[in-house]
Amino acid sequence: EVQLVESGGGLVQAGRSLRLSCVASGFTFEDYGMHWVRQAPGKGLEWVAGISWNGGSQVYADSVKGRFTISRDDAKKSLYLQMKNVKSEDTALYFCAKAQQSSVVDHFDSWGQGTQVIVSS
Amino acid sequence: QSVLTQPPSASGTPGQRVTISCSGSSSNIGSNSVDWYQQLPRTAPKVLIYVNSQRPSGVPDRFSGSKSGTSASLVISGLQSEDEADYYCAAWDDNVNHWVFGGGTKLTVL
Repeated sequence: EVQLVESGGGLVQAGRSLRLSCVASGFTFEDYGMHWVRQAPGKGLEWVAGISWNGGSQVYADSVKGRFTISRDDAKKSLYLQMKNVKSEDTALYFCAKAQQSSVVDHFDSWGQGTQVIVSS
Repeated sequence: QSVLTQPPSASGTPGQRVTISCSGSSSNIGSNSVDWYQQLPRTAPKVLIYVNSQRPSGVPDRFSGSKSGTSASLVISGLQSEDEADYYCAAWDDNVNHWVFGGGTKLTVL
């Protein structure tokens, strides 16, 4: 069974940094693309960033480009999101999602339960 | 403002057929496949339909999807109370080179 467990969320001041983690199990992590998707309170889903199976392709939403960095450590079966210069609009529940195949363009077939990020001003 | 446009709400009574639309453009739905996600209250999203009309194992055949041009539709036949959830369409956009979601449709079972 695929499991994705996010962590690292919390309360952070605007302008500071935070790193989210997602530990995967139940599948061969290094073979699949991975993504971060967020959901602001009471709002819809917003895709944030994606990384291909080998890390060779990293793509970002315009709203986070230049501030967030997605990375992966296949040995630790982990996905990361380094968030810098956070803004109040980054307040959201952040989901880790697995792609169905190796590329960033494949749909998301499994999701974690999310980790909450709250940015205070 | 979402790149993909969905109605904010939909409703139906048990047993009815409900259709949720998703409108995009040539750079997303017009040139790439559409996926649909269901988010039950206070839970993570799950894939309902992928590549326009494919159902993952475990998804009831009451759920079906289709695409035509720059629009897509999710049809729920034989509506059940447990279908009350938020539904999102998504597609890759070639112009911005990333995924885009619809704003979501809240389905109420009356």
